[in-house]
Amino acid sequence: SQTIHQWPATLVQPVGSPLSLECTVEGTSNPNLYWYRQAAGRGLQLLFYSVGIGQISSEVPQNLSASRPQDRQFILSSKKLLLSDSGFYLCAWYGLDNYGYTFGSGTRLTVV
Amino acid sequence: QKEVEQNSGPLSVPEGAIASLNCTYSDRVSQSFFWYRQYSGKSPELIMSIYSNGDKEDGRFTAQLNKASQYVSLLIRDSQPSDSATYLCAVRSISNFGNEKLTFGTGTRLTIIP
Repeated sequence: SQTIHQWPATLVQPVGSPLSLECTVEGTSNPNLYWYRQAAGRGLQLLFYSVGIGQISSEVPQNLSASRPQDRQFILSSKKLLLSDSGFYLCAWYGLDNYGYTFGSGTRLTVV
Repeated sequence: QKEVEQNSGPLSVPEGAIASLNCTYSDRVSQSFFWYRQYSGKSPELIMSIYSNGDKEDGRFTAQLNKASQYVSLLIRDSQPSDSATYLCAVRSISNFGNEKLTFGTGTRLTIIP
């Protein structure tokens, strides 16, 4: 069966510090991978998506970046966090053997 | 105009009654439609998907799609307190270039009253 792992679950970081969030998928190959952010009381905003290794599409210009070094690994990064980067970050995958998008458990990031 | 619109609620429904959640979308080339349930502090959980006009039933849940009206709904029969959550409508579109994206509404907060 397919599973998606996301860590850490919670993170408190000071303004200006770097960020690295990791997402891995098991039990499938060549999935489409996505990073979403959900700010408090707001909807899910698509940040990045990837259809393959090294292929990243950005939906929203910001100080975040994403990378896909391996088929089932998706990383969200920032060199310098802003207060506005606080939120609930969710990784999701979509594949031919998955009839819908499946989300990881999420990382709650608080920038202080 | 937002791409996917939902009434934010809160929607309060007595236990045992039918809860009706609605969603409209603006992109006519949208191909797939999903309903997610999100409990407070948790990640969204897929509960229904629908691709063709008409109704699709799964247990107590029924999804309804009308592409001509660009409207999708979710009915929850015999509502239970455990159904209290935020329900997110999502629409998947694929462009002529093969790029796809899943766009979410802001969600409807549903409360089932015992």
